[in-house]
Amino acid sequence: DQQVKQNSPSLSVQEGRISILNCDYTNSMFDYFLWYKKYPAEGPTFLISISSIKDKNEDGRFTVFLNKSAKHLSLHIVPSQPGDSAVYFCAASGIVSGSRLTFGEGTQLTVNP
Amino acid sequence: EAQVTQNPRYLITVTGKKLTVTCSQNMNHEYMSWYRQDPGLGLRQIYYSMNVEVTDKGDVPEGYKVSRKEKRNFPLILESPSPNQTSLYFCASSLSIRQANTEAFFGQGTRLTVV
Repeated sequence: DQQVKQNSPSLSVQEGRISILNCDYTNSMFDYFLWYKKYPAEGPTFLISISSIKDKNEDGRFTVFLNKSAKHLSLHIVPSQPGDSAVYFCAASGIVSGSRLTFGEGTQLTVNP
Repeated sequence: EAQVTQNPRYLITVTGKKLTVTCSQNMNHEYMSWYRQDPGLGLRQIYYSMNVEVTDKGDVPEGYKVSRKEKRNFPLILESPSPNQTSLYFCASSLSIRQANTEAFFGQGTRLTVV
């Protein structure tokens, strides 16, 4: 039962354009959502998060949008840079699950120069 | 430098031979956890620990053990490894249970192959 799903295993965009990574969840008890970024041979690193009381959170080139009614969140990267090429994981947690994070499958983003 | 250190980075072993993957953090974090990453499945939590001598099962605990005798160390033990435990393993730590969702620091990973 995959409670957090990233339906696109890969995404390729041109440098300078917008990258949009999507994530859907099924558990309505999730109230906190995060994106992690992972380079090869490294551990994931925290990128940006959003609480369910918000619908948008911005940090520089990265913006996360949350649509609670659709149980959908997305990560926008503008403008995309070659150094953004990595695997992006969406993750969710909720009060009932304590601090346990449930991760999606990941999306490989490739930004072409 | 703040970091989570896992050892070894790569390990090939045979079925049934007990092994331990070590994890150490130098940030005085309370919360530590272990994940495995498999293709198409993302990261799944194996075990977590909220503090010394406090551990609990995650989503996929079968075949694994952990211990938390000191705050900085959280080893993952495979008493009798099997081929289905071939995976990429990550240890992570966070300052506290309330902050386990943010500022989670991950180790560099341990690539385990069980033949």
